[in-house]
Amino acid sequence: EVQLVESGGGLVQPGGSLKLSCAASGFTFSGSAMHWVRQASGKGLEWVGRIRSKAHSYATAYAASVKGRFTISRDDSKNTAYLQMNSLKTEDTAVYYCTTSSSGSGFDYWGQGTLVTVSS
Amino acid sequence: QSALTQPASVSGSPGQSITISCTGTSSDVGGYNYVSWYQQHPGKAPKLMIYEVSNRPSGVPDRFSGSKSGNTASLTISGLQAEDEAHYYCSSYTSSTTLVFGGGTKLTVL
Repeated sequence: EVQLVESGGGLVQPGGSLKLSCAASGFTFSGSAMHWVRQASGKGLEWVGRIRSKAHSYATAYAASVKGRFTISRDDSKNTAYLQMNSLKTEDTAVYYCTTSSSGSGFDYWGQGTLVTVSS
Repeated sequence: QSALTQPASVSGSPGQSITISCTGTSSDVGGYNYVSWYQQHPGKAPKLMIYEVSNRPSGVPDRFSGSKSGNTASLTISGLQAEDEAHYYCSSYTSSTTLVFGGGTKLTVL
């Protein structure tokens, strides 16, 4: 059974940093691209970014709204993806999901999400 | 990258059919056959309903179908059922090698 479990969310002040983790199991993590998607309360889904597999040089891409502030990484030995968030803004407050695709197209596996609140 | 455009809400009666549109540009929806649709019930993670414009994952009822014409993709749900009431989001791969979601559509089953 595929499982994605996010952790690391919490309350942080504007300008602060937070690192989220996504522990994966039940599929070949090392061969899969991993994505982060967020959702502010009562709002729609927003793609945050992704990291590809070693075969694709661990290439990363980010949404314009987080580029330069957020960094996605992975540790294939731990089957874990990470989202390092720096210079956090109040508008970054959201539930953050990690997600992946079994076919390379369409996210068929999602974590339960972790809440990040940026507030003073 | 601007969000794809979806109607804020649609509604239909049980047994009827509805269609949700998702409009982008030639740099996303129109340029690639990598459009997906997701269903999200309150408090739950999104569920993949359609991928690559018109493909249904295993377990998704064939009442759900997808299509695309030009820069607009569509999700059609036939034989509406009460449990179809949810938010629906489209997404597309983009020419910047990023992904973009639509703003979401709330489906109400009357």
